[in-house]
Amino acid sequence: EDQVTQSPEALRLQEGESSSLNCSYTVSGLRGLFWYRQDPGKGPEFLFTLYSAGEEKEKERLKATLTKKESFLHITAPKPEDSATYLCAVKTSGSRLTFGEGTQLTVNP
Amino acid sequence: EPEVTQTPSHQVTQMGQEVILRCVPISNHLYFYWYRQILGQKVEFLVSFYNNEISEKSEIFDDQFSVERPDGSNFTLKIRSTKLEDSAMYFCASRVGGGDEQFFGPGTRLTVL
Repeated sequence: EDQVTQSPEALRLQEGESSSLNCSYTVSGLRGLFWYRQDPGKGPEFLFTLYSAGEEKEKERLKATLTKKESFLHITAPKPEDSATYLCAVKTSGSRLTFGEGTQLTVNP
Repeated sequence: EPEVTQTPSHQVTQMGQEVILRCVPISNHLYFYWYRQILGQKVEFLVSFYNNEISEKSEIFDDQFSVERPDGSNFTLKIRSTKLEDSAMYFCASRVGGGDEQFFGPGTRLTVL
């Protein structure tokens, strides 16, 4: 059974304080790892797709990286508007996504 | 920018009643999905739909659930006889044929009393 574990569960940062979120996975054949952002009461918003170890993607203050066992979402100099829950999901067989529990990020001004 | 839309945003129903949740996927997308998220828990896959048939479903998607694409734009999830444990946010998602990224709608909050 595919498993996705995200850590930490919650993270509080000061504005400008860079950090990383972790997503570790145990799957039987990774066909894509996805990062989403979810605001309270809203649907997940697509951020990145990664396919192979060593791959990196960047968007504004966010950078996602992938190894054979985990992915990191690096947040550089975050702003309060980056506050959200960040979800990691994997695709193995078929096209279903298996999600982790998420990391709730709060950035204080 | 094209978006997935869902109606209603909030549905309250009595246990045992039937509900239909509606979604309008992005217009050129070919694959459609339903996920649910019970409050405080992870997003869970329910079903995927392609070419007018179910392509994959989870253990959650039992005989009480059904999906339909009644016309060229709508995609619906029906729960025949709702239970208290069906209370959750239900998200519709869609993706284009050649890509892996699934784009999610804003969700319908279903409350079963």
